Amino acid sequence: NAGVTQTPKFRVLKTGQSMTLLCAQDMNHEYMYWYRQDPGMGLRLIHYSVGEGTTAKGEVPDGYNVSRLKKQNFLLGLESAAPSQTSVYFCATGVNTEAFFGQGTRLTVV
Amino acid sequence: AQSVTQLDSHVSVSEGTPVLLRCNYSSSYSPSLFWYVQHPNKGLQLLLKYTSAATLVKGINGFEAEFKKSETSFHLTKPSAHMSDAAEYFCVVSDVSPTAGGSYIPTFGRGTSLIVHP
Repeated sequence: NAGVTQTPKFRVLKTGQSMTLLCAQDMNHEYMYWYRQDPGMGLRLIHYSVGEGTTAKGEVPDGYNVSRLKKQNFLLGLESAAPSQTSVYFCATGVNTEAFFGQGTRLTVV
Repeated sequence: AQSVTQLDSHVSVSEGTPVLLRCNYSSSYSPSLFWYVQHPNKGLQLLLKYTSAATLVKGINGFEAEFKKSETSFHLTKPSAHMSDAAEYFCVVSDVSPTAGGSYIPTFGRGTSLIVHP
């Protein structure tokens, strides 16, 4: 029982490159979230999903896209990476009010 | 809209002395509240949660927190700090969000860095 798994764990991108972060859950939760963590800012919500086929914008959605084609997967895409997107990204699933987090992806854009 | 304010960005204590990390929240409904801990270069670990049961909540590693609705606070305490408690602590509020179509959206505070001196 893996819980919430994020792939990859580390990545370095050049400015302008694209990539997709994968979040996979085996908890059968409807809610899934993508956050970014920056020093002194806590975790800020990028996008979220309340079920398969649905997505919605969070607090800081610009420069990111998401898809939830299957209930167990939530993908976060960066179409043209910028240095301001250097961050640690956390995926989470939710049931009722509680969230369960993956281990994070450290992304550096140079 | 819900929000969380962690009143101290850094708290410094000596090993063996009490710990107090302060958190105030704002919520329009009946919130659930959580404390998470993050050790350097690690993920988030749930310390404890309040979900409308007992207002004094006990968590792991000797931590506890008290929900005070009248003060809109959820402060985290520990009687005696240990060196291994040095980490970043996040207070989180989660409630039904009208702006998100009634979805639950966990909202984080900015974090408090706990420093423990020998």
